[in-house]
Amino acid sequence: EIVLTQSPDFQSVTPKEKVIITCRASQSVGSNLHWFQQKPDQSPKLLIKFASQSLSGVPSRFSGGGSGTDFTLIINSLEPEDVATYYCHQSDASPNTFGQGTKLEIK
Amino acid sequence: QVQLVQSGTEVKTPGASVKVSCKASGYTFTTYGIIWVRQAPGQVFEWMGWISAYNGNTNYAPKFQGRVTMTTDTSTSTAYLELRSLRSDDTAVYYCASGGSAHDYWGQGTLVTVSS
Repeated sequence: EIVLTQSPDFQSVTPKEKVIITCRASQSVGSNLHWFQQKPDQSPKLLIKFASQSLSGVPSRFSGGGSGTDFTLIINSLEPEDVATYYCHQSDASPNTFGQGTKLEIK
Repeated sequence: QVQLVQSGTEVKTPGASVKVSCKASGYTFTTYGIIWVRQAPGQVFEWMGWISAYNGNTNYAPKFQGRVTMTTDTSTSTAYLELRSLRSDDTAVYYCASGGSAHDYWGQGTLVTVSS
């Protein structure tokens, strides 16, 4: 199965800081890589689909990029409500898999 | 708007079975497949499988083959996950998700606790 490795596992951040989270796949997933946000005791929320497609209702400070095996999620000018755990997820191959998560905390 | 509403918390003993439901609304049910994903305490998400709401075709993760059954009822726009021979390490929050291969929509999750 395809292993997704996120970096970093944890980051302590300040408001308005730019945050970059990376996701590396053990083999190519094309553009079939999606980013989710999960806050405590909530369901995951899709932020970016197919590597770089933004979604209606998601703040424009969230953007994604990459293809093949290397992907990034960028949060420009972090807001306090962005404190959450972020996961990448590939739907290119079965079984679908998820990254281990990147937890953001406010300094 | 699209909603996926799951059934409530379950407490089971080892060896039992559990059946979790996921009722969809706000879209034509047969348009999208449904995936089931679980998240054990402090663990990463684990994809359990996929079912087509159009024709019932399934694709189960190898880890769960033989122990899981996914079904749908198009008359009620509801998907079901049955997991058998429960063990303590099946304790997790189980989610359904839909909306294409990016899974735009997620249920609220169902906590299944397996304990003697």
